[in-house]
Amino acid sequence: DIQMTQSPSSLSASVGDRVTITCQASHDISKYLNWYQQKPGKAPKLLIYDASNLETGVPSRFSGSGSGTDFTFTISSLEPEDIATYYCQQYDNLPISFTFGPGTKVDIK
Amino acid sequence: EVQLLESGGGLLQPGGSVRLSCTASGFTFSSYAMSWVRQAPGKGLEWVSGISASGGSAYYADALKGRLTVSRDSSKNTLYLQMNSLRAEDTAVYYCAKNRQPYLFGDAFDFWGQGTMVTVSS
Repeated sequence: DIQMTQSPSSLSASVGDRVTITCQASHDISKYLNWYQQKPGKAPKLLIYDASNLETGVPSRFSGSGSGTDFTFTISSLEPEDIATYYCQQYDNLPISFTFGPGTKVDIK
Repeated sequence: EVQLLESGGGLLQPGGSVRLSCTASGFTFSSYAMSWVRQAPGKGLEWVSGISASGGSAYYADALKGRLTVSRDSSKNTLYLQMNSLRAEDTAVYYCAKNRQPYLFGDAFDFWGQGTMVTVSS
C-alpha cells in the first residue's frame, strides 16, 4: 500500500505570508496527487488535481507542484479565509487505491 | 448545480448494519464513478469504497473488505453503502464524492456531499 506523509502537521502564519506544505508518497505516484481544503464542519473542497492543475473557480494564490514521490502545495499570500486543514491525496488504478495524507492545519498568527 | 445529499446515518448498535444513501442531482449520474469517504471525529479522511460509472465494478478499502457493499441505482440517481458488523471504530461522518472526470475511476473528487454521521455505540 502507498503511504502518504505531510509536513508540517500544523502551522501558524500571518496574513500575506507565503505558506508551503509538503506531501511525500512511499512509492512513485507520477502526477496522481490532489490537494483538498477542509474547513471545520464542512466537506472537503478540491483545490488542485494531478499535482499542479488548479480546479475551476479556485483562487490563483493556490498552487501545486511535484511528481514522483515529492509534492508541494503553496498559498502565495495567506488570506483569513484560508484557515483550514489541507489534505493531499494520491490515487492509483493498479490496484485501485486512494490514500489521503494526515493533513496540515493552517492557522492565522 | 451539482448536489449530493447523504442520508441513513444515526446511532447504531455494535454488530448491527446500516445502509447509507447519497442522492445526486445536477449532473449525469450514470457517467461518473462515485466513492464513499469517511472521517472519524477529529481525524483525517479515509477512502472507504467506490463504484464505477456503470456500476459493474466495485472497490473497497482493504481494511473494510467483507463488511461493505457499494451499489448504485441510476434510475434514482442514488449511491448506496451497506455496512455490516458495525464496530465502534466505524463511528465517523460518511461523505459521498463524485469523480472529476466521466467514466474514469481513479481521479480527484470534485464534489462532496455534506456527510451523514454514523455513531456505533451501545
